[in-house]
Amino acid sequence: EPEVTQTPSHQVTQMGQEVILRCVPISNHLYFYWYRQILGQKVEFLVSFYNNEISEKSEIFDDQFSVERPDGSNFTLKIRSTKLEDSAMYFCASSYIGGLEAFFGQGTRLTVV
Amino acid sequence: AQTVTQSQPEMSVQEAETVTLSCTYDTSESDYYLFWYKQPPSRQMILVIRQEAYKQQNATENRFSVNFQKAAKSFSLKISDSQLGDAAMYFCAFNNAGNMLTFGGGTRLMVKP
Repeated sequence: EPEVTQTPSHQVTQMGQEVILRCVPISNHLYFYWYRQILGQKVEFLVSFYNNEISEKSEIFDDQFSVERPDGSNFTLKIRSTKLEDSAMYFCASSYIGGLEAFFGQGTRLTVV
Repeated sequence: AQTVTQSQPEMSVQEAETVTLSCTYDTSESDYYLFWYKQPPSRQMILVIRQEAYKQQNATENRFSVNFQKAAKSFSLKISDSQLGDAAMYFCAFNNAGNMLTFGGGTRLMVKP
């Protein structure tokens, strides 16, 4: 069964450093998303991406965040200058139709120290 | 803005019994989709079941079924014949046919052998 894959599974970084979280969505999907979940809290929407541009973003997704689809298979989330409060589980998801049947990857646990 | 509320932080059920998890939501939209996601200890988000608001019939997937009450804005999940592997966090989620899922705070389900 096709699945969304994320790398790395765990990333530790120093405050102020840049990190790139990588995702390979399901191959025939057209919509791509990033969500995050701070430990013990609800899953929060960050951004959606369609047709090579951001289609929707939340207030969390400020100037320190960016997304990119550098080739036909990868979808990345960059955090420019990490803060302690960026520590969370980051989930990539994809869907064939916007907003429907979003399939999630296994997540990347980001720890900022 | 849409909100999703799960009023039960924790629930427990005896193996082979039935349990119902509650979810309410608030929206002014008439066309939307509702989902239940399961998050086991591995923290991956797994889609359990989906309901389209325009459908009157409640969705069913094997042991999982929903009770969708559109007027009451209620969307509960019933798990029949509970199994040990059902133990997880369960998140209710809402999508208004846009690109963003709004999640509830989750219900931790424990299954007692």
